[in-house]
Amino acid sequence: DIQMTQSPSTLSASVGDRVTITCRASQSISSWLAWYQQKPGKAPKLLIYRASSLESGVPSRFSGSGSGTEFTLTISSLQPDDFATYYCQQYNTYRWTFGQGTKVEIK
Amino acid sequence: EVQLVESGGGLVKPGGSLRLSCAASGFTFSSYSMNWVRQAPGKGLEWVSSVTKSSDYKYYADSVKGRFTISRDNAQNSLYLQMNSLRAEDTAVYYCAKSEGAGYFYDSSARYYFDSWGQGTLVTVSS
Repeated sequence: DIQMTQSPSTLSASVGDRVTITCRASQSISSWLAWYQQKPGKAPKLLIYRASSLESGVPSRFSGSGSGTEFTLTISSLQPDDFATYYCQQYNTYRWTFGQGTKVEIK
Repeated sequence: EVQLVESGGGLVKPGGSLRLSCAASGFTFSSYSMNWVRQAPGKGLEWVSSVTKSSDYKYYADSVKGRFTISRDNAQNSLYLQMNSLRAEDTAVYYCAKSEGAGYFYDSSARYYFDSWGQGTLVTVSS
């Protein structure tokens, strides 16, 4: 199975900060990568698909980039609603795998 | 608006069985592949199983292969997960998720992510 590794595991930031989360795949997945946001007690929510395509309704402060094995999720100006856990997911194979998650906390 | 509502979770003893259901509405259910994803308490997301729109192809994580069976009823707009020989490590919130993407599974060109999720149902395996 393709392993997805996110860094950091936890990130402390303030409102207005620019935040970057990295996701690395154990082998090339082209651009077949999605990003999800999850808040406590809630279902995950799709933010980004195909590495850089913004899901409808998602604020433009979220952006994704990368291809091959290295990907990033960037929040250009962190808002109070953005404190959550973020997961990357590869969908290059029919054994979908997620990163371990990055928790964005209030500094 | 897409709605996915899971049900069927609960407390079951190790070795027991449980059947989860996911009722779908707001989209043409028969046109989309569907999935189950789980999350153990305090842990990350783990893909469990997927089924194509016509049930031609079914996929399972190694951790559940041979114990869990995914199925769907397009006439009832419902997705199911039959879970047998349950273990303590199967304790988790189980989410139903709709696929989005393109391509075909028969030639391995399919590339699908999960664009809509239900709120989940908790399965607890404990004696």
